[in-house]
Amino acid sequence: DAEITQSPRHKITETGRQVTLACHQTWNHNNMFWYRQDLGHGLRLIHYSYGVHDTNKGEVSDGYSVSRSNTEDLPLTLESAASSQTSVYFCASSEGSPPGELFFGEGSRLTVL
Amino acid sequence: GQNIDQPTEMTATEGAIVQINCTYQTSGFNGLFWYQQHAGEAPTFLSYNVLDGLEEKGRFSSFLSRSKGYSYLLLKELQMKDSASYLCAVRPQGAGNTPLVFGKGTRLSVIA
Repeated sequence: DAEITQSPRHKITETGRQVTLACHQTWNHNNMFWYRQDLGHGLRLIHYSYGVHDTNKGEVSDGYSVSRSNTEDLPLTLESAASSQTSVYFCASSEGSPPGELFFGEGSRLTVL
Repeated sequence: GQNIDQPTEMTATEGAIVQINCTYQTSGFNGLFWYQQHAGEAPTFLSYNVLDGLEEKGRFSSFLSRSKGYSYLLLKELQMKDSASYLCAVRPQGAGNTPLVFGKGTRLSVIA
């Protein structure tokens, strides 16, 4: 069965370290998204991609970067982790119809100490 | 800018009916979505409305009024497993697959 997987599921890191969260989907979807979810804020868009070599900034992109070298993967990198980036991160993908139906990964809980 | 409002928390009794409201003010409109998210899990798609009216899917129905910037999710015959957060999301007007903008979610507790 097609799926979308995130790794690691849980990570603890220190302020200033570089962290990469992986997202891999086997739906063959062109569209992939990274959201963060925090109490009181809901899901907020970090970065998204509509296809290979395409990346776009979302609402809360500062401190994050993504790259899309193939259809299946959209890794999210925190160049220098900050305590404000402690959150649960969700990767999602979508394609065609119904438009906007997002398929979410299980989430990655990141703690920055 | 985008603004999506929904109640933070609701409580309802098993077997009852509950209505979760969502109002939105966005730069254009190209569809409204409802997702369910159980604690500690990923959101899952429930419904999609792009035209005015009611969409029914089993125990769940979703209503949209574009002129009022308003939607609701109706859950009938509530079950304990319906205890979850319900997320309203809007796709603003734009070319192609404009990313969804999510509300903060409504946490529903179903009690016996």
